[in-house]
Amino acid sequence: QKEVEQNSGPLSVPEGAIASLNCTYSDRGSQSFFWYRQYSGKSPELIMSIYSNGDKEDGRFTAQLNKASQYVSLLIRDSQPSDSATYLCAGGSNYQLIWGAGTKLIIKP
Amino acid sequence: GAVVSQHPSRVICKSGTSVKIECRSLDFQATTMFWYRQFPKQSLMLMATSNEGSKATYEQGVEKDKFLINHASLTLSTLTVTSAHPEDSSFYICSASDRVSYNEQFFGPGTRLTVL
Repeated sequence: QKEVEQNSGPLSVPEGAIASLNCTYSDRGSQSFFWYRQYSGKSPELIMSIYSNGDKEDGRFTAQLNKASQYVSLLIRDSQPSDSATYLCAGGSNYQLIWGAGTKLIIKP
Repeated sequence: GAVVSQHPSRVICKSGTSVKIECRSLDFQATTMFWYRQFPKQSLMLMATSNEGSKATYEQGVEKDKFLINHASLTLSTLTVTSAHPEDSSFYICSASDRVSYNEQFFGPGTRLTVL
């Protein structure tokens, strides 16, 4: 069965520090990977997408993909209280995504 | 770009009634639409996937006669919860994909359904 696994947390990080979120996936055929942020009571919003091995940076966010290890991560630099949310990892192909259960991130002022 | 709307945002109904939720892609053609359900403090649960003009594919355990999905055009999909009961109270979220944004799903704002 295809799975995406994330630590449910909560992950507590001091304001200004780097938050590191991790995700592993089982389907080697997965070609695209996404990190979504979901605030309580709201729908998910896309933070980062990554399709090839290596790092992809966008502002304070860096996504990392290692297909050999079937591992995806998201780094948030200079964490802010507004980054407190649940982060969902998803991976897949052929217009189907497999979702992780999400990691709750808490940024402490 | 890639905006998805959902209507209504919130609905309260009596047990036994049917509720229709609309999902629209406003600025792109949604070749595939997805319907999710999320209970409080739980993860997203995919209910069904629909392609324009085709019957929806339901996930295991989701009653297709209870949750009717119609993807009649490239910009509109509807979910009808028939004979709703209190246990159907949940946050229903649609998402959409096009052929350009490789596997990326664009989410609507969600509909909170409360069945009394």
